[in-house]
Amino acid sequence: GENVEQHPSTLSVQEGDSAVIKCTYSDSASNYFPWYKQELGKRPQLIIDIRSNVGEKKDQRIAVTLNKTAKHFSLHITETQPEDSAVYFCAASDSGYSTLTFGKGTMLLVSP
Amino acid sequence: DVKVTQSSRYLVKRTGEKVFLECVQDMDHENMFWYRQDPGLGLRLIYFSYDVKMKEKGDIPEGYSVSREKKERFSLILESASTNQTSMYLCASRGAGGEKLFFGSGTQLSVL
Repeated sequence: GENVEQHPSTLSVQEGDSAVIKCTYSDSASNYFPWYKQELGKRPQLIIDIRSNVGEKKDQRIAVTLNKTAKHFSLHITETQPEDSAVYFCAASDSGYSTLTFGKGTMLLVSP
Repeated sequence: DVKVTQSSRYLVKRTGEKVFLECVQDMDHENMFWYRQDPGLGLRLIYFSYDVKMKEKGDIPEGYSVSREKKERFSLILESASTNQTSMYLCASRGAGGEKLFFGSGTQLSVL
């Protein structure tokens, strides 16, 4: 089955800095890669996703890049703000309609 | 907006008890999922269901069962609770044609 590795497990940045979280996956059939954000005490919520036919996708301050050859994808957050502090999970599946395999999560702390 | 409701936010049970965790969604979603969340281990899939009366094992089904008698309700059952089942349990739903998971706010279960 699919295996998703996520790094780093914790990340501390200063407000205004950029943050990058990286994930690798094992199954070359995977073609859907979402990112979920979970604020403290709250439920995970989808923040951005990408399909394998796209190399990069942006939404305001967040972007996701995908390298299918290397089987890795990354979340980039620019101009970080304290409200970006949360646990971020990457995931992969062989379609958006099958089950997701999640990474173990990255706790991002943005200090003012 | 989609609402996924889990019946209890916190639950304390004794070893050996039978435990029911309930999840209800209000958006007529076909797909429902139960995840377990543990620090450092991310989100792990226990069971899922693509339709009423249907159930499929996820990655860690041992010690659990599920019931889906109605489309809107998906129950997770711990037949004989053990201390290693102390965890945060998250329910999620997804429409048949969609990719986005909608999570409930979770049930923190402690088994003493």
